[in-house]
Amino acid sequence: DSGVTQTPKHLITATGQRVTLRCSPRSGDLSVYWYQQSLDQGLQFLIQYYNGEERAKGNILERFSAQQFPDLHSELNLSSLELGDSALYFCASSVSDVYGYTFGSGTRLTVV
Amino acid sequence: TQLLEQSPQFLSIQEGENLTVYCNSSSVFSSLQWYRQEPGEGPVLLVTVVTGGEVKKLKRLTFQFGDARKDSSLHITAAQPGDTGLYLCAGAVISSGAGSYQLTFGKGTKLSVIP
Repeated sequence: DSGVTQTPKHLITATGQRVTLRCSPRSGDLSVYWYQQSLDQGLQFLIQYYNGEERAKGNILERFSAQQFPDLHSELNLSSLELGDSALYFCASSVSDVYGYTFGSGTRLTVV
Repeated sequence: TQLLEQSPQFLSIQEGENLTVYCNSSSVFSSLQWYRQEPGEGPVLLVTVVTGGEVKKLKRLTFQFGDARKDSSLHITAAQPGDTGLYLCAGAVISSGAGSYQLTFGKGTKLSVIP
């Protein structure tokens, strides 16, 4: 157990739907990062939050949004889902980002 | 966007053999991290190197950061089946305006160690 908790572990949904992925960071970590991993693209950075505020954005689609709550848990919202959104979505947290991240075990999203 | 190239993409070796995987970029990184990922799980941090020329050893794994802080290598001695997995390198650069470091991942080297 890495200390980063992601739910759900698996999610199957239809095109056009909306889903919410949840992440609880490791105790004491203020930063939360969301990544998407697909076979051909590898790990792609989506967005970072630090203590409730958005800090950095990567290759995140406009259909996707995220937030970090006062208790530091974070949610990634994916809407108008397309087949190509099927991927593993990872959350990571850190206390000092230059030294490394702790990843959760991911949510596998399948859009059918 | 900083691009990290990892080689080889795939590596299949016999138990007991030695191997080296590489991570190269044209960008300079503040730090470079190596992760191992097993199927269905998230990447697990193995090591972080910060200083150019730095060498770190973790049991049978030896990590080196290039002098110019643009490349790194991972050497495994006497590989074991438990070493099987996807090895990812990730470089950290300071993100202007964000006040934090951005981590860019390579696509990884998929290692299989055959008993």
